[in-house]
Amino acid sequence: NAGVMQNPRHLVRRRGQEARLRCSPMKGHSHVYWYRQLPEEGLKFMVYLQKENIIDESGMPKERFSAEFPKEGPSILRIQQVVRGDSAAYFCASSPIGDGYEQYFGPGTRLTVT
Amino acid sequence: DQQVKQNSPSLSVQEGRISILNCDYTNSMFDYFLWYKKYPAEGPTFLISISSIKDKNEDGRFTVFLNKSAKHLSLHIVPSQPGDSAVYFCAASQGAGKSTFGDGTTLTVKP
Repeated sequence: NAGVMQNPRHLVRRRGQEARLRCSPMKGHSHVYWYRQLPEEGLKFMVYLQKENIIDESGMPKERFSAEFPKEGPSILRIQQVVRGDSAAYFCASSPIGDGYEQYFGPGTRLTVT
Repeated sequence: DQQVKQNSPSLSVQEGRISILNCDYTNSMFDYFLWYKKYPAEGPTFLISISSIKDKNEDGRFTVFLNKSAKHLSLHIVPSQPGDSAVYFCAASQGAGKSTFGDGTTLTVKP
């Protein structure tokens, strides 16, 4: 049973470009969470999605950031017009229906903005 | 306002001894607490959890203690092994959904 998959593992973007991060949850999991880890800090919640629905986006910056989890395909975290402060590790986690406590994390995408 | 705090950024213990990692929280509505372990360049891995209706949960070498009145939980690892060297994150949740993480404690177990 494959775990949570994220790609790319490393992404380099110039300031002003767009970054797209993908997350495929574990098989049978329909709940997806995105977290961001800045250097020397813990994981900060960004958004919680179910298929075709955003459940909680209280941690998402108001501008430039968006997330989706379509009926088919992976969840996408999209950052428009990236700035240097967006450089971080972005982790996706998933959980099965009816059990939202323990989350299973992917290996993360390390975004570097130059 | 950091709702989950791990006040010790690092901890070093000798192999075979006990490791105690601490975590404090401020939100009394949290009802589930978790510990995750993270190696460099990998995602966090779930380790052990405890519901707010319990005060202790044990799984092999790992035991989590919850003191609700003090809003404090701790993770005990005994005996500690070099392979336990990693960053440990405490997390708390209120129902299903997002988890709030502490900043982590780096544990080093010396052979």
